[in-house]
This record gives sequence, C-alpha cells and structure tokens, in this order.
Amino acid sequence: KNQVEQSPQSLIILEGKNCTLQCNYTVSPFSNLRWYKQDTGRGPVSLTIMTFSENTKSNGRYTATLDADTKQSSLHITASQLSDSASYICVVKEETSGSRLTFGEGTQLTVNP
Amino acid sequence: EAGVVQSPRYKIIEKKQPVAFWCNPISGHNTLYWYLQNLGQGPELLIRYENEEAVDDSQLPKDRFSAERLKGVDSTLKIQPAELGDSAVYLCASSPGATGELFFGEGSRLTVL
Repeated sequence: KNQVEQSPQSLIILEGKNCTLQCNYTVSPFSNLRWYKQDTGRGPVSLTIMTFSENTKSNGRYTATLDADTKQSSLHITASQLSDSASYICVVKEETSGSRLTFGEGTQLTVNP
Repeated sequence: EAGVVQSPRYKIIEKKQPVAFWCNPISGHNTLYWYLQNLGQGPELLIRYENEEAVDDSQLPKDRFSAERLKGVDSTLKIQPAELGDSAVYLCASSPGATGELFFGEGSRLTVL
C-alpha cells in the first residue's frame, strides 16, 4: 500500500529560527512530490512541486529537497515568521493512468514570538 | 482570477438529516476533486471527475454519499442520511488536468449532532 509518513507530527519553534520537516514515502511508481501549507480553517495551498529529476526547489523562505533513491523529502523553513504557523502536508503522486495522490497527515508547526 | 469556491463554509445538522455541499472550480479546470479531511489528518479522496465523468469514486461511501458534476463545471456532494462520523471538513479542489497542480477551496466544515 502506498504511504506517505511525515515527521515530526508537531513542532514548536521561536520566531526567527529555522526548522526542517521530513517526509518519507513508499509511493511507486513515483511521479512528483508536493508540499502544501494549510492554515487553520483554510484549504491547502501549494508551496512546491518536485519531479524525479529535481533535488532542490525553493519558494521564498521555503526550500524543499528530494532524494528519489531513498524516497525522502524535506521542507526547510528559514527565518520563521508567525505566519508560518500552519500544517505542512507532503503529497506524492503516482505515475499511473489513475494519477492517484497520497497525502501525509501533516506536520503542525507553531511559531511563537 | 477567482479561486475554487465552496459553500456553505459551515453546516451544523442533526444525524439522519441530509446535507449538500457545492463547489465551483477555477474556470477552465476540467479535473475536480472532493476530499474529506478529519482533524489533524491529511485529506482523503472521495471522488475525482474528469469533466462530467467520475473517473475515481472507489473511496466514496455510495450507500449515503453521492456526487454530481452535470455540465462538467460546478459540482455537488450530498450526504443522506448524515451520521455522527461524517463530521469533518469537505474540501473541493480543481486542476487543469489530472497531472496539474491542485487548487483547493476553503472547505465546508460539517458538524453532525
């Protein structure tokens, strides 16, 4: 069964600090990996989409990495801000005709002043 | 450009009552998704449409859930009768194709009493 596991489940950091969120997956065949940010009470918003050939992708203070060999990805947040408090969800897409997406359960990040 | 629009944002009903959620995708997006999201978990696919055709409804509890996308644009998700366990957020998403980036609506939060 295809799975996406994220760690940690929750994380609390101080404003201005950096943090890294992890995503391990077993989805195969692999098409792409996506990171979404979901604010409380809102729908998820895409941060990055990475294909097999991409190792690193940045979106402002967010940098995602992908190791397709070990099936691991990370999302690094630099100089965190209060507005970064949200759930970060890792999503992996299968390379099949069904194009099924497998969602992780998310990492709940809290940035405190 | 308007995003994915969902209504209602909040709905409180008693068990055994019917409920319906409406979604208007981004103009031109032929792929539409309905997801269920429980608190602290990632979204789970209920149904995916390509234009007006339901191409993946394997996770839709068909005894009580139904969905339609009659003209290949907006969509309705219905639950009848609702059960206590149906309390969740129902997210609608659209994409320009099965392989494209997903754009989510704000969700419809259902509480069944």
